[in-house]
Amino acid sequence: QSALTQPASVSGSPGQSITISCTGTSSDVGSYNYVSWYQQHPGKAPKLMIYDVTNRPSGVSNRFSGSKSGNTASLTISGLQAEDEADYYCSSYISSSRVFGGGTKLTVL
Amino acid sequence: EVQLAESGGGLVQPGGSLRLSCAASGFTSSSYAMSWVRQAPGKGLEWVSVIFSGSGGSTYYADSVKGRFTISRDNSKNTLFLQMNSLRAEDTAVYYCARNFRYFDYWGQGTLVTVSS
Repeated sequence: QSALTQPASVSGSPGQSITISCTGTSSDVGSYNYVSWYQQHPGKAPKLMIYDVTNRPSGVSNRFSGSKSGNTASLTISGLQAEDEADYYCSSYISSSRVFGGGTKLTVL
Repeated sequence: EVQLAESGGGLVQPGGSLRLSCAASGFTSSSYAMSWVRQAPGKGLEWVSVIFSGSGGSTYYADSVKGRFTISRDNSKNTLFLQMNSLRAEDTAVYYCARNFRYFDYWGQGTLVTVSS
């Protein structure tokens, strides 16, 4: 149950695009198309942003998109806005358990 | 509207016990897998445990809590529980309950557990 690997921080200016990577192994990210992404603002509960690698829940902006290649999944946020500044976590389904990434702090400059 | 509300957190001494509750509304929690996820102060999310739906409701735990924590549910009260025994300082965290598919679509607001003497 090792955590997935994410960069500790990323940054971008308003209007730009950024991508956050999430690297696992052939036992988790590489085995299932069941990667999800969560946004967490300080003091708040996480919010589901992407599920099953590429799907957006109702109400989530289409500026958020997901992809996967091999053992690495990615979250792309286009047209960065100040409100996107938050922590982002990836997660992978592993049959009877779940695993999270260490989290990435997004700073909007 | 789907809502999850955790309760039961607080200050407990090392070696002590605590029971967390998660009251669900807006859906029948027994029809879904439900998980506990925790977040230590200033740290990332850590999956703790899951209980699946159906008769019997299989349960699974993270290695860090296996043998010390027990997840259960009271379907008549639409409530999820986490019994935490032999608590350690490293169990200090905000504990969230979450509805669990292959992802976590609804989360509670969390309850803080502090293990300290």
